[in-house]
Amino acid sequence: DAKTTQPPSMDCAEGRAANLPCNHSTISGNEYVYWYRQIHSQGPQYIIHGLKNNETNEMASLIITEDRKSSTLILPHATLRDTAVYYCITGENTDKLIFGTGTRLQVFP
Amino acid sequence: GAGVSQSPSNKVTEKGKDVELRCDPISGHTALYWYRQRLGQGLEFLIYFQGNSAPDKSGLPSDRFSAERTGESVSTLTIQRTQQEDSAVYLCASSLVLAANYEQYFGPGTRLTVT
Repeated sequence: DAKTTQPPSMDCAEGRAANLPCNHSTISGNEYVYWYRQIHSQGPQYIIHGLKNNETNEMASLIITEDRKSSTLILPHATLRDTAVYYCITGENTDKLIFGTGTRLQVFP
Repeated sequence: GAGVSQSPSNKVTEKGKDVELRCDPISGHTALYWYRQRLGQGLEFLIYFQGNSAPDKSGLPSDRFSAERTGESVSTLTIQRTQQEDSAVYLCASSLVLAANYEQYFGPGTRLTVT
């Protein structure tokens, strides 16, 4: 079973920031938080990961709470191409990442 | 550069037949992973390889499933005596090494339909 909890779906207007929450209350000290997304009929795509500190790259920002029990993925200016299923995953290593059912983000014009 | 490739892209087979699914990882990637995704569901982890070795096969759904990797390159997932519940998209991914800080690169998947 997935060790994270995400809302099943969210909507976001094009050009606005999309904030995708994830709860991982049982995360251990050595476990990272990873985010991947899957655009329809494609393989998943890596977005970002972090351990304790907030992280930012060209795709998104990852905000991890101080107690590390939850995190938020931020897409600063959502576009229609960001419509996808977003997976939040925790793990100490990449050997057995467990993808849950994710959040289906629909960006609308 | 070339990404992860998988073949065939689609496979339709009759119940009871054996199938082989192929994955070509990114060149130089030592870690390789197989996942299964049933329609409308999340990814189900099957097995990973560190080099040519698969230390943990407990994720394989049954003894009809097997996987191998040769030359630290191509991997084959074999399903014997296919059943209708095996119908799914089978995804392969690779990463430079098996470590927390390395992202997985996924292939486009093989859609298997068992009739």
